[in-house]
Amino acid sequence: GESVGLHLPTLSVQEGDNSIINCAYSNSASDYFIWYKQESGKGPQFIIDIRSNMDKRQGQRVTVLLNKTVKHLSLQIAATQPGDSAVYFCAENPSAGGTSYGKLTFGQGTILTVHP
Amino acid sequence: DTGVSQNPRHKITKRGQNVTFRCDPISEHNRLYWYRQTLGQGPEFLTYFQNEAQLEKSRLLSDRFSAERPKGSFSTLEIQRTEQGDSAMYLCASSLDVGGNSPLHFGNGTRLTVT
Repeated sequence: GESVGLHLPTLSVQEGDNSIINCAYSNSASDYFIWYKQESGKGPQFIIDIRSNMDKRQGQRVTVLLNKTVKHLSLQIAATQPGDSAVYFCAENPSAGGTSYGKLTFGQGTILTVHP
Repeated sequence: DTGVSQNPRHKITKRGQNVTFRCDPISEHNRLYWYRQTLGQGPEFLTYFQNEAQLEKSRLLSDRFSAERPKGSFSTLEIQRTEQGDSAMYLCASSLDVGGNSPLHFGNGTRLTVT
């Protein structure tokens, strides 16, 4: 079936480097994408979202890029810190509108490890 | 703390017993969701409420599962006759109705272990 997936299950970087986490999606009907950070023993924490009418959105130290042509999503973290170490999930809403808002399909996650 | 609150944080039960979890969403959020997460996987959608109305249910939600949100505020998720395969983290999330998609804010979950 159609799904959201991640190219790299693990990513290891040095403190201060920039990190890029990638995600591929296959459902061209998806119009909303969101990134979450999940630390051990906690629920997913919202980082940033983007709608399909945009190709870039910036937050504090984070940027999400959306390439609808190749169905690719990425999360860039600038000046990565040890506190950024966590599992990162991308998610999509595969149904547009109506009662399907918030019915997210998650990828399997990327483990980011930041070394001091 | 004004985030999503879930209780209990951990629940250990024997197979065949019933369990009930509670979720208190962010107060101004009228949408509430239940997800399930197993080790090493992303969360999977279970069900969704708009105020007190349950609008969507995943096929993952067997007839042993029931969720309620009687007054449009807190919600409960009950699992009857628990099975070992029910062991997972049960996550609740809420969001604001903006007429479209808006970010889901998750609680820290209830970890269920069925022995």
